[in-house]
Amino acid sequence: GENVEQHPSTLSVQEGDSAVIKCTYSDSASNYFPWYKQELGKRPQLIIDIRSNVGEKKDQRIAVTLNKTAKHFSLHITETQPEDSAVYFCAATGTASKLTFGTGTRLQVTL
Amino acid sequence: GAVVSQHPSRVICKSGTSVKIECRSLDFQATTMFWYRQFPKKSLMLMATSNEGSKATYEQGVEKDKFLINHASLTLSTLTVTSAHPEDSSFYICSARDSGGLETQYFGPGTRLLVL
Repeated sequence: GENVEQHPSTLSVQEGDSAVIKCTYSDSASNYFPWYKQELGKRPQLIIDIRSNVGEKKDQRIAVTLNKTAKHFSLHITETQPEDSAVYFCAATGTASKLTFGTGTRLQVTL
Repeated sequence: GAVVSQHPSRVICKSGTSVKIECRSLDFQATTMFWYRQFPKKSLMLMATSNEGSKATYEQGVEKDKFLINHASLTLSTLTVTSAHPEDSSFYICSARDSGGLETQYFGPGTRLLVL
């Protein structure tokens, strides 16, 4: 089955700086890669997603890149704000159309 | 749009009792719903895939007789934790995929279960 690895597990940045979270996946048939933001005790919220026919996607301060050859995708957050502090999960949809999640990155944006 | 509700949000029960959790898609039809379990500071682990009108598909290591899933309509799936024990205490989250859409999954707010 699919295996998704995510790094780093924790990330602390100063307000205004950029944050980058990286994930790798194992199933070359995976074709959908969403990113979720989860605040403590809340549901995961979809913040951006990318499909395998696209290399990059941007939505305001958030961007995702995908390298299918390397089976690698990344989340980029620019001009970070305190409200960006949360746990971020990457995920990949493999052959069974099931989401496999990464282990999560706890992002802390400090003033 | 794409709202998923889950009920109850929190439940405390005695060991040995059964607990039912409901997951509803409010503004779309969901042929497929998913049930996840999340331990504190951990990732979401898929327990089972709930298919409307057919049996659920369970992930390896998940006891189907322990976690009963019913998906009787296109907007409702239920998870029943039978004979709950303290080790079943966890955060249970459902998600639903829009039957008319792509792969995007929308998550419910979760149910925090505490078994005493």
